[in-house]
Amino acid sequence: GAGVSQSPRYKVAKRGQDVALRCDPISGHVSLFWYQQALGQGPEFLTYFQNEAQLDKSGLPSDRFFAERPEGSVSTLKIQRTQQEDSAVYLCASSLDTLNTEAFFGQGTRLTVV
Amino acid sequence: AQSVTQLGSHVSVSEGALVLLRCNYSSSVPPYLFWYVQYPNQGLQLLLKYTTGATLVKGINGFEAEFKKSETSFHLTKPSAHMSDAAEYFCAVRTPTSGTYKYIFGTGTRLKVLA
Repeated sequence: GAGVSQSPRYKVAKRGQDVALRCDPISGHVSLFWYQQALGQGPEFLTYFQNEAQLDKSGLPSDRFFAERPEGSVSTLKIQRTQQEDSAVYLCASSLDTLNTEAFFGQGTRLTVV
Repeated sequence: AQSVTQLGSHVSVSEGALVLLRCNYSSSVPPYLFWYVQYPNQGLQLLLKYTTGATLVKGINGFEAEFKKSETSFHLTKPSAHMSDAAEYFCAVRTPTSGTYKYIFGTGTRLKVLA
């Protein structure tokens, strides 16, 4: 498709379980972002990639969160030993370059930790 | 550090009335400013953006915003609200010239349009 694709759309995990969230950005987009959006809140920055390089991971809340983009296209956000506070919508976005172009967002993955 | 403040978490307007959603930003360098809209269970869609040049920017669906540096504001307006405008609106700031590439979002304003 032409847009940013995220899978799965919905994920229910038991507390302590590991999860992996996938993002397929728009083809050719250099920049890729991950955001966490809690219910009723704005998106909170997690991490940023420029091609395969993770240039900013200042928003990752703990060392349980890990993201990768090994070939500069598809990205995976991994959360280890999930906790209830990890329940949120995880949004992926991509943009063509690093300057003033807009970010295109996927529909998000809603993670519920029970 | 950059930040965004959206005044009013909920705004209600009558159909056909003016829409005004407020956004103030804080930035030590010239900012790039964005308004995004989010419909239920959807991702964010860009309405409009300001980078450089003309301070009044027009976007999709009849929305526009004006960058006012002296007021550090980027308020979103639409002359006449439509029922389909009901959604959550997010203002965002970005300062790539500072070496920071992330978008920083406000907490959002939920717009309700009354028939």
